[in-house]
Amino acid sequence: DVKVTQSSRYLVKRTGEKVFLECVQDMDHENMFWYRQDPGLGLRLIYFSYDVKMKEKGDIPEGYSVSREKKERFSLILESASTNQTSMYLCASSHRGYPYNEQFFGPGTRLTVL
Amino acid sequence: AQKVTQAQTEISVVEKEDVTLDCVYETRDTTYYLFWYKQPPSGELVFLIRRNSFDEQNEISGRYSWNFQKSTSSFNFTITASQVVDSAVYFCALSEEGSGNTPLVFGKGTRLSVIA
Repeated sequence: DVKVTQSSRYLVKRTGEKVFLECVQDMDHENMFWYRQDPGLGLRLIYFSYDVKMKEKGDIPEGYSVSREKKERFSLILESASTNQTSMYLCASSHRGYPYNEQFFGPGTRLTVL
Repeated sequence: AQKVTQAQTEISVVEKEDVTLDCVYETRDTTYYLFWYKQPPSGELVFLIRRNSFDEQNEISGRYSWNFQKSTSSFNFTITASQVVDSAVYFCALSEEGSGNTPLVFGKGTRLSVIA
């Protein structure tokens, strides 16, 4: 079974802190994604990566950066957390092989920035 | 540009009722993929179905069925004889043909509450 794990289910940070959200997948997927989910807004793509050290901006990259040093790990970084980044963060991965674009999701990290 | 619209924000039904969740999409591609995901209260999105644009056959899986109509750009999801365990947020998503790394575009989701 595909497994996508995220480092924390719940996280509380203070404004201005640097925050790292880690995501690991065990199925050798090429693609990895970070979304945030907010009530009424659905899932919005922050960044994605289709290979090691590669990254692409999604719809809402401002205030975030990412790192992908190894194929199985994709990190989301909040350089200076702000209260408007309080949200649910979801990581996903998928195989690049066409046509299977199905994404597998992790359990999510609910981040609160005080 | 791609777009997925789930017009129903919230639906509430009584157990054993049938319920249909609507999904309308926009795309310029002739080859694309449509998905439905379920997000139970635990938070993890669970894949339900993938359908490619060349396969308009309806699909049934137990109490779940999907109706894909290219003529109306719709991919609706019906739950028959709903159960409390069906309570969740359901997302419809679209992926255009690409190099295999095209992100999904999600609708805003429909929250389904099934009342016992």
